[in-house]
Amino acid sequence: DAMVIQNPRYQVTQFGKPVTLSCSQTLNHNVMYWYQQKSSQAPKLLFHYYDKDFNNEADTPDNFQSRRPNTSFCFLDIRSPGLGDAAMYLCATSRGLSSGQPQHFGDGTRLSIL
Amino acid sequence: GQNIDQPTEMTATEGAIVQINCTYQTSGFNGLFWYQQHAGEAPTFLSYNVLDGLEEKGRFSSFLSRSKGYSYLLLKELQMKDSASYLCAVRDGIGNTGKLIFGQGTTLQVKP
Repeated sequence: DAMVIQNPRYQVTQFGKPVTLSCSQTLNHNVMYWYQQKSSQAPKLLFHYYDKDFNNEADTPDNFQSRRPNTSFCFLDIRSPGLGDAAMYLCATSRGLSSGQPQHFGDGTRLSIL
Repeated sequence: GQNIDQPTEMTATEGAIVQINCTYQTSGFNGLFWYQQHAGEAPTFLSYNVLDGLEEKGRFSSFLSRSKGYSYLLLKELQMKDSASYLCAVRDGIGNTGKLIFGQGTTLQVKP
């Protein structure tokens, strides 16, 4: 059974039209992450939540925002998508921030911009 | 700066052994992870090293040398389903974010 679920698997939006990607987890993990992965590149961390505490990476564009209304759900909002935002977006969770705790990934949402 | 290097592509034969290398230069070090990622799917956790030495898990083993900033993933008895991208990721140990820095991944193709 999938433990980190991302919906939808594929999302198409228009240039400049706001879009929201969703992630849910059944692991009851404290930490949820959002990564951006472009073709043949490494996943790049955008931000993470530890419980309700939001941590933004310094180089994450202002266009990207996140919400975590409860433990199970986390959303990625892209306010005005540009062509350069087309990518796979991966959600991950971990129990905590201790060194040995692996991150568990969802299957990702592939975002296309028209 | 933060840098993780892996070969871009490798090819190996079914039943053989392959070693995928990873070198890293990071501000801090708090563990190294290997993930497997099939095309269009999520990365799945394979192994974790924080101390020097070899960790073995079935057909997969991972080695770490912190003094050399070096790790490898060893895959034995290769199967066709092992064709995937293998990502090396380092937890940078700065603060307490648990942040992972990923390499670009090594695409492994297993041939019959």
